[in-house]
Amino acid sequence: EAGVTQFPSHSVIEKGQTVTLRCDPISGHDNLYWYRRVMGKEIKFLLHFVKESKQDESGMPNNRFLAERTGGTYSTLKVQPAELEDSGVYFCASSHGQGGETQYFGPGTRLLVL
Amino acid sequence: GQSLEQPSEVTAVEGAIVQINCTYQTSGFYGLSWYQQHDGGAPTFLSYNALDGLEETGRFSSFLSRSDSYGYLLLQELQMKDSASYFCAVRGTGGFKTIFGAGTRLFVKA
Repeated sequence: EAGVTQFPSHSVIEKGQTVTLRCDPISGHDNLYWYRRVMGKEIKFLLHFVKESKQDESGMPNNRFLAERTGGTYSTLKVQPAELEDSGVYFCASSHGQGGETQYFGPGTRLLVL
Repeated sequence: GQSLEQPSEVTAVEGAIVQINCTYQTSGFYGLSWYQQHDGGAPTFLSYNALDGLEETGRFSSFLSRSDSYGYLLLQELQMKDSASYFCAVRGTGGFKTIFGAGTRLFVKA
């Protein structure tokens, strides 16, 4: 079974530019989550999809962040325009069914905004 | 607010036992999870406690006391490969939003 994959693995952009991160969850997992970790701090929840619907987006920092999940499969997280404080590691995770206790994480995208 | 507290660093020697504590303050509680993350890697699920008591999985055990809003991860027979960051995480009721602690960096020395 293939795991959660994320693309790109690293991204370096300048302040004001746009970046789009992609996540492919484990096939059949209805739940998809986005998290962000800034150096040395907690893994912060951003949002949760159930299939194509946003179930909880209370962790999204502001309207510069837009997440979508086309057809309930892969998801994208767009940051436009990027600011310096958006730097960090963005993780995607997926889980199966109603329980959702076990979340399978992707390797993360390391974003650096200069 | 919602928060989880865990020590920032723990150091132990190979073969020893180490306990990583986690206290939480969240709106609602559904369960406490533990994840391991090696440098540059993805967080990996270790254990989950929804009820009070001890759950054992090989060398790792996890404990929960809901009345104390407290849990811990116990690692036995430490190996060098156990050097990693360990995160506790709580899922509150009413949704799947998961709150993570800041992580405990475990250093295992020879």
